[in-house]
Amino acid sequence: KNQVEQSPQSLIILEGKNCTLQCNYTVSPFSNLRWYKQDTGRGPVSLTIMTFSENTKSNGRYTATLDADTKQSSLHITASQLSDSASYICVVSPQLTGANNLFFGTGTRLTVIP
Amino acid sequence: DTGVSQDPRHKITKRGQNVTFRCDPISEHNRLYWYRQTLGQGPEFLTYFQNEAQLEKSRLLSDRFSAERPKGSFSTLEIQRTEQGDSAMYLCASREEGPHTEAFFGQGTRLTVV
Repeated sequence: KNQVEQSPQSLIILEGKNCTLQCNYTVSPFSNLRWYKQDTGRGPVSLTIMTFSENTKSNGRYTATLDADTKQSSLHITASQLSDSASYICVVSPQLTGANNLFFGTGTRLTVIP
Repeated sequence: DTGVSQDPRHKITKRGQNVTFRCDPISEHNRLYWYRQTLGQGPEFLTYFQNEAQLEKSRLLSDRFSAERPKGSFSTLEIQRTEQGDSAMYLCASREEGPHTEAFFGQGTRLTVV
């Protein structure tokens, strides 16, 4: 079972609207959580990284929140633009000595239409 | 150094042939990762290097797959006797030492086995 689950799988919104993407994880103990944006056919690009002690992190129109108690994170996109169309991937790092892996969600495919 | 670079960007090969991909990480990054990504899925971990040492290998890395990082700088991923199921995007990422350091991804190598 994937230890990082994202919802929705896909989302279509009108340009200018806001949206929120969800990430639930079971990775424990947990070190940090990252959100990446991946354009089709390209490598992922980092948006935010939050440690377990952080509740929110912003990067321009992107705001990520984290609730380490419920093991949930969200990515809020404000005033969406056509260029926001991409997959958004939630990535969780475990807090284990010697463990260097990153656990990836399957992503949410966002399409912004004019 | 502008980031992680991968070569080639695209590779089409016949089933049964061997292929080799190259990844050049950001120069001061001692950690290097290989991931495989199929359409609509998040990246799946293949292997991890710290400097020249290969410290982790996924069970996805069958005996047809081999990765090296001989001088702790660039890395190669070789697939022998390719199968159609090997068709995927192969992503390389690098990061500095530390639990919360950013992971930077290359643009990936798109492999198509015909």
